[in-house]
Amino acid sequence: AQKITQTQPGMFVQEKEAVTLDCTYDTSDQSYGLFWYKQPSSGEMIFLIYQGSYDEQNATEGRYSLNFQKARKSANLVISASQLGDSAMYFCAMRGGLYGNKLVFGAGTILRVKS
Amino acid sequence: GAVVSQHPSWVICKSGTSVKIECRSLDFQATTMFWYRQFPKQSLMLMATSNEGSKATYEQGVEKDKFLINHASLTLSTLTVTSAHPEDSSFYICSAERDISSYNEQFFGPGTRLTVL
Repeated sequence: AQKITQTQPGMFVQEKEAVTLDCTYDTSDQSYGLFWYKQPSSGEMIFLIYQGSYDEQNATEGRYSLNFQKARKSANLVISASQLGDSAMYFCAMRGGLYGNKLVFGAGTILRVKS
Repeated sequence: GAVVSQHPSWVICKSGTSVKIECRSLDFQATTMFWYRQFPKQSLMLMATSNEGSKATYEQGVEKDKFLINHASLTLSTLTVTSAHPEDSSFYICSAERDISSYNEQFFGPGTRLTVL
């Protein structure tokens, strides 16, 4: 079975600094995709970044980058130059393999940016 | 960009009544939509996968007779919570799948907060 683990229930980061949110996954499949979503207090799910299992380069989207280490089965999200508006819940998710097009979510990490 | 709407955004109802939540993909056609449930400070839990023109596929432990899902068109899926009880109070989120580039991305609706008194 596929599983997503986010070990950090909560994180603090100083404004303008970088922060890494951890995500590890467990799958026996070779083809899968990894996603990160941001959920502010309003509840909407905002797509941040995607990494395919066959992508050789780490994905980047503006201030977001994904540190993909396939052998370690980790897909950490790095947010550079944190802003107050980055305070939210962050979810790592995976799809593919036996679960097909279903998204399997981790427990989430609450990030608080301090001024 | 791809936009998914949900209606209503919040609803309060009495125990025993039924509530219908709509999920619409506004600018694309979605053959597959998903319904999630989220309790406070918890993750999203997939309830069911909804395919246009066919019966929904429910996840283990989700009562299909309680959570009725209808995917009548390529842009609309509905979730009806029948005979709602306080334990059904939750945040319900839908998503619609769209082919993008090398992967299918799920676009999420803004969610519906259900409170059952």
